[in-house]
Amino acid sequence: GENVEQHPSTLSVQEGDSAVIKCTYSDSASNYFPWYKQELGKRPQLIIDIRSNVGEKKDQRIAVTLNKTAKHFSLHITETQPEDSAVYFCAASILSDYKLSFGAGTTVTVRA
Amino acid sequence: ETGVTQSPTHLIKTRGQQVTLRCSSQSGHNTVSWYQQALGQGPQFIFQYYREEENGRGNFPPRFSGLQFPNYSSELNVNALELDDSALYLCASSLGAGETYFGPGTRLTVT
Repeated sequence: GENVEQHPSTLSVQEGDSAVIKCTYSDSASNYFPWYKQELGKRPQLIIDIRSNVGEKKDQRIAVTLNKTAKHFSLHITETQPEDSAVYFCAASILSDYKLSFGAGTTVTVRA
Repeated sequence: ETGVTQSPTHLIKTRGQQVTLRCSSQSGHNTVSWYQQALGQGPQFIFQYYREEENGRGNFPPRFSGLQFPNYSSELNVNALELDDSALYLCASSLGAGETYFGPGTRLTVT
C-alpha cells in the first residue's frame, strides 16, 4: 500500500515569514495529492490539491509543488498569519478510488 | 463548512461493548469513506462504500463493519470495543474529481 512520510513534525515561524512542509510517497500509481488543515477540535479542511499532470498550483498565499520523478510534493505558505496556526496533513491517492493515505501531520505555529 | 454531518459528537463506551456511528454525506456524493484518527496522528483509512457496496478496506479487523444506505448516508459499527479504539472517527464523502470532504467527526472514548 501507499506510504506517505511528512516533514517536519513541528514548524514555528515568525508572522510574515514563509512555511514549507514536505511529503514523500511510495506508490508511483498515486496521482492525486491533497493538503488538509486541521484546527484543534475541528474537521480536516481541504485547502489545496494537485494532480500528477500538473507541477505546481497556487491559491493566494498557498502553493503546492509536485515532483513525480522523485515522488515528493510540498506545501508553501507565504506571508504567514496567526490564523495559519494549525496541523497540516498531506495525503496521496489514486483519483479513481478516493482512498487517501495521510502523512503524520505538521504542527505549524505562527509567532506574532 | 462542508455538508457532511456526523452523530453523535462524543461517545463514551466500555471495553467489550458495541458502538454505531452515523454519517450523512454531502448532497449528491455517492462515495463515503470512514477514517480513524488517533490523537496526534493522521487519519487512517478504515473502509469505503460506493453505491451501498464496500469498495475497499484498510488494515482494520472484521469487528469494524459498515453500511451505506440508498440515500448515501452511512454507518460505522465497531464490535467488542478495545481501549485502542479510542479515537476521532471521521466520515468523508466524495463525488468525482478526487475532492474529499470530511465531517466533524465523532470522538469515541473507550474505558
